[in-house]
Amino acid sequence: QVQLVESGGGVVQPGGSLRLSCAASGFTFSNYGMHWVRQTPGKGLEWVAFMRHDGTTNYYADSVKGRFTISRDNSKSTVYLQINSLGAEDTAVYYCAKDHSSKWSYFDYWGQGTLVTVSS
Amino acid sequence: DIQMTQSPSSLSASVGDRVTITCRASQRISSYLNWYQQKPGKAPELLIYSASNLQSGVPSRFSGSGSGTDFTLTISSLQPEYIATYYCQQSYSVPFTFGGGTKLE
Repeated sequence: QVQLVESGGGVVQPGGSLRLSCAASGFTFSNYGMHWVRQTPGKGLEWVAFMRHDGTTNYYADSVKGRFTISRDNSKSTVYLQINSLGAEDTAVYYCAKDHSSKWSYFDYWGQGTLVTVSS
Repeated sequence: DIQMTQSPSSLSASVGDRVTITCRASQRISSYLNWYQQKPGKAPELLIYSASNLQSGVPSRFSGSGSGTDFTLTISSLQPEYIATYYCQQSYSVPFTFGGGTKLE
């Protein structure tokens, strides 16, 4: 069965950086686009970033453009999110989500999430 | 960006009730509309994709309809395990945007 397991979250000071990882299993990772979606405490969902199955194309939310970088290693079935210049507004649970297609469509499987807390 | 507006933001209902949640897009999105269910402390799960297609394993009490700008999620007979927050999301264009959620109580 499809499994997505995020890691790398934690407490970081304002202005700091983290790299989140999402290890995938149960499907042919290299055939599918992957997303990161975040959820601030008690709030709704915000799509953050997407990368095509082959890593050739990516998109970002305006709120993170220039600070966050999505990447993937198809040989390791893992997608990453490098997050830099963190501010309090980035405190959230970060989910990775599998796209139904190689490009973009909808999020058919989600990981359990990893919490990022930005605090001094 | 396409804005997604859900209503109501919260809804109190009883077991067996028919429940309807609406989602409106700020511009036409054809049928690129998806619904997710999120239970407390859990990740969201896909319920319905492309406005009206039930994801595998989702009970047939759930249904979706609509196209263009107006969409509806219907639960035909509310069960206790359906208590959750429901989100709509458009996949018509980047950035992919979610509605604010409807908390079912």
